[in-house]
Amino acid sequence: DQQVKQNSPSLSVQEGRISILNCDYTNSMFDYFLWYKKYPAEGPTFLISISSIKDKNEDGRFTVFLNKSAKHLSLHIVPSQPGDSAVYFCAARSGKLIFGQGTTLQVKP
Amino acid sequence: DAGVIQSPRHEVTEMGQEVTLRCKPISGHDYLFWYRQTMMRGLELLIYFNNNVPIDDSGMPEDRFSAKMPNASFSTLKIQPSEPRDSAVYFCASSLLAGGLDTQYFGPGTRLTVL
Repeated sequence: DQQVKQNSPSLSVQEGRISILNCDYTNSMFDYFLWYKKYPAEGPTFLISISSIKDKNEDGRFTVFLNKSAKHLSLHIVPSQPGDSAVYFCAARSGKLIFGQGTTLQVKP
Repeated sequence: DAGVIQSPRHEVTEMGQEVTLRCKPISGHDYLFWYRQTMMRGLELLIYFNNNVPIDDSGMPEDRFSAKMPNASFSTLKIQPSEPRDSAVYFCASSLLAGGLDTQYFGPGTRLTVL
């Protein structure tokens, strides 16, 4: 059973607007959460992470929010740029990393 | 450093054939991971090694799959016999520490097509 779910396979956003990517999880024992970004024909690369003891972590245009009561994680990209177009994977750690299915983000110029 | 190196980048084979995927991790990384990416399940961890020793192979789908790490700079993932449902992109990743304590660095992947 999928412990980490990204229910939106794709998202399309206009350049300059906010992109919000969502992730839900079921295991309350996860202690660390990460987002990876993947371009075509390349491997995923680390983007941003958050510990379960925090509810927000910011790095430039990227902010990750954690709502533990709802078991929900989100990644905000503001402002979105065409170069942000990629597949985004959320991942959660319980000894090892468990990844979601990925969301394809398209940022239109 | 060249990063994680995988070969081949593409593999097309016929059902029943043996397939071997190769990975060279980043020098000095103690952990090596094999993942499989499919549309339905996203990135699935198949197996990971620590200091060349398999630690968790619970993600290996069937006995047809096997992985080895004979030394710190080389690992293989073998599928024998291959089946069409094995078609996917297989990634190798390495890190200094397991899980999210340290960033996992991924290779470019091997796209496997089994006809």
